[in-house]
Amino acid sequence: DGGITQSPKYLFRKEGQNVTLSCEQNLNHDAMYWYRQDPGQGLRLIYYSQIVNDFQKGDIAEGYSVSREKKESFPLTVTSAQKNPTAFYLCASSMGEAGELFFGEGSRLTVL
Amino acid sequence: GQNIDQPTEMTATEGAIVQINCTYQTSGFNGLFWYQQHAGEAPTFLSYNVLDGLEEKGRFSSFLSRSKGYSYLLLKELQMKDSASYLCAVMDSNYQLIWGAGTKLIIKP
Repeated sequence: DGGITQSPKYLFRKEGQNVTLSCEQNLNHDAMYWYRQDPGQGLRLIYYSQIVNDFQKGDIAEGYSVSREKKESFPLTVTSAQKNPTAFYLCASSMGEAGELFFGEGSRLTVL
Repeated sequence: GQNIDQPTEMTATEGAIVQINCTYQTSGFNGLFWYQQHAGEAPTFLSYNVLDGLEEKGRFSSFLSRSKGYSYLLLKELQMKDSASYLCAVMDSNYQLIWGAGTKLIIKP
């Protein structure tokens, strides 16, 4: 079945370490997104990509990095520069820029 | 600035009807989405409105008034599995989604 796969589901990190969250989709979608979700707040866009080898910063890109070397993959790296990285991270994809979003199951990152 | 407002929490009884409101102020409008999110899980798409009026899909309906910057999600014949957060999101003139904080719906027997 087609869908979006995020891994790992749970991740613990020590302060000062970088960590990479994986996101793979087999829906043949052009657009992919990374969101961060914190309690009591709406989803906030970190980065998005509408085509391979191109991506744009969202509202809260500082301390994060991405790559889009393949259409199916859009990994997110949470760097040590991110001041408050503990959060629930959601990857999503859509057929076009105005389409319905399909989400992965999410990755919960906890910094110890 | 851009803003989406929804109630933080609502409680309803199994078998009843509940209406979840969403008001928005955004730079342009290219549609409004409702998503359902169970605790600890990913959001799933419920509905999309771009024209004024009511869209019905089974037990769920969504209404839009663009002139009032207002939408609601109507859930009928509530079931325990409807206990979840309901997220309202508006697509602005740049095709960026602006998200509300979500409404946590608690269903009681």
